[in-house]
Amino acid sequence: TQLLEQSPQFLSIQEGENLTVYCNSSSVFSSLQWYRQEPGEGPVLLVTVVTGGEVKKLKRLTFQFGDARKDSSLHITAAQPGDTGLYLCAGGHPSGTYKYIFGTGTRLKVLA
Amino acid sequence: DAGVTQSPTHLIKTRGQQVTLRCSPISGHKSVSWYQQVLGQGPQFIFQYYEKEERGRGNFPDRFSARQFPNYSSELNVNALLLGDSALYLCASSRTPGGDNLNEQFFGPGTRLTVL
Repeated sequence: TQLLEQSPQFLSIQEGENLTVYCNSSSVFSSLQWYRQEPGEGPVLLVTVVTGGEVKKLKRLTFQFGDARKDSSLHITAAQPGDTGLYLCAGGHPSGTYKYIFGTGTRLKVLA
Repeated sequence: DAGVTQSPTHLIKTRGQQVTLRCSPISGHKSVSWYQQVLGQGPQFIFQYYEKEERGRGNFPDRFSARQFPNYSSELNVNALLLGDSALYLCASSRTPGGDNLNEQFFGPGTRLTVL
């Protein structure tokens, strides 16, 4: 069974601080996606990383895919209250099967 | 363009009843996936359909079934509801079923099912 473990599970920080969320697995994924989900809504796609070692930046968010495509990280610089939400990573299964495996989630709260 | 739509938004049922949830994918998307998200956890994969055929199934009992229609919309059915079926049921659409960078999936707002 493939598992994607995220850490930390919960994070409460002050506005302006930096933070990193980790997504780890013992399995290789063809791609990895990061989502943010707000209460009562579906997850919203932030980024997809595909190549081992790939780094993508989205304003204050930096995403990295591990060289072996088994892990990923999300770094937020100068967090803002609007960044508050549940952050989920999801691994795309290598070709031959048709499903995404979601991580356990990191609940972030940014205090003003 | 309209995103993924799901209906109903909320639903309350009692144990033993049956429920049908509906999903309309983004125009041009032929693949629909269903996920169950229990409060405080990440979504768990239930089914994926592509071109009206089941392409993947997660670790859920036979009480869960789904189908996809010629217009690519989909229904998820759950029979003999249990208290533990209470969750947010999410539908996601994508152009094709593969898990690669060309096949990003987009989620609907979900249906909140409460089983009493």
